Amino acid sequence: DTAVSQTPKYLVTQMGNDKSIKCEQNLGHDTMYWYKQDSKKFLKIMFSYNNKELIINETVPNRFSPKSPDKAHLNLHINSLELGDSAVYFCASSQEGREAFFGQGTRLTVV
Amino acid sequence: QQQVKQSPQSLIVQKGGISIINCAYENTAFDYFPWYQQFPGKGPALLIAIRPDVSEKKEGRFTISFNKSAKQFSLHIMDSQPGDSATYFCAASRADYKLSFGAGTTVTVRA
Repeated sequence: DTAVSQTPKYLVTQMGNDKSIKCEQNLGHDTMYWYKQDSKKFLKIMFSYNNKELIINETVPNRFSPKSPDKAHLNLHINSLELGDSAVYFCASSQEGREAFFGQGTRLTVV
Repeated sequence: QQQVKQSPQSLIVQKGGISIINCAYENTAFDYFPWYQQFPGKGPALLIAIRPDVSEKKEGRFTISFNKSAKQFSLHIMDSQPGDSATYFCAASRADYKLSFGAGTTVTVRA
């Protein structure tokens, strides 16, 4: 019973393509997040949704667009992928913004 | 701008030794301080957390010490084991649901 699951685990794509990463949580949490982890392992928040409403939108290129169809799902769509987008993307969820539970990550490689 | 500063970047400890990781913050709006453990290829997993009205919290071999006046907190791993070899992240959150992470410390426990 995976608490936070994201797909795919690996994604290799060419520059200029559009791709999506999907995330689902079965913990009943009210808040979901997307984090980006770079090659130095630094975790940076990108977006957060609370009850399907966008509450955090960090300085992220507008090629990145999150979508939350319901409380349990948060997807990330990326347009016109660039080499610098290569990273590991983590979905997470929490209840009232406290303990965050992370998915296993999606390693995105842009070639 | 990193809101939580973490040190050291890496440390090596002998089996049975004590690992100590330090973090500092500036924003007094932070009111919840979790630590996460991340193994290669996995997502960060919540290890232990503390609120600023408590000076110390212990769970098994892991202890958080918190100094509110100095705006510092630390993780002590007692009797370190090879299985503790991982990257550890301190974090801080506040009521607006934003969870900010330190840069991470890679701990290597030598048998």
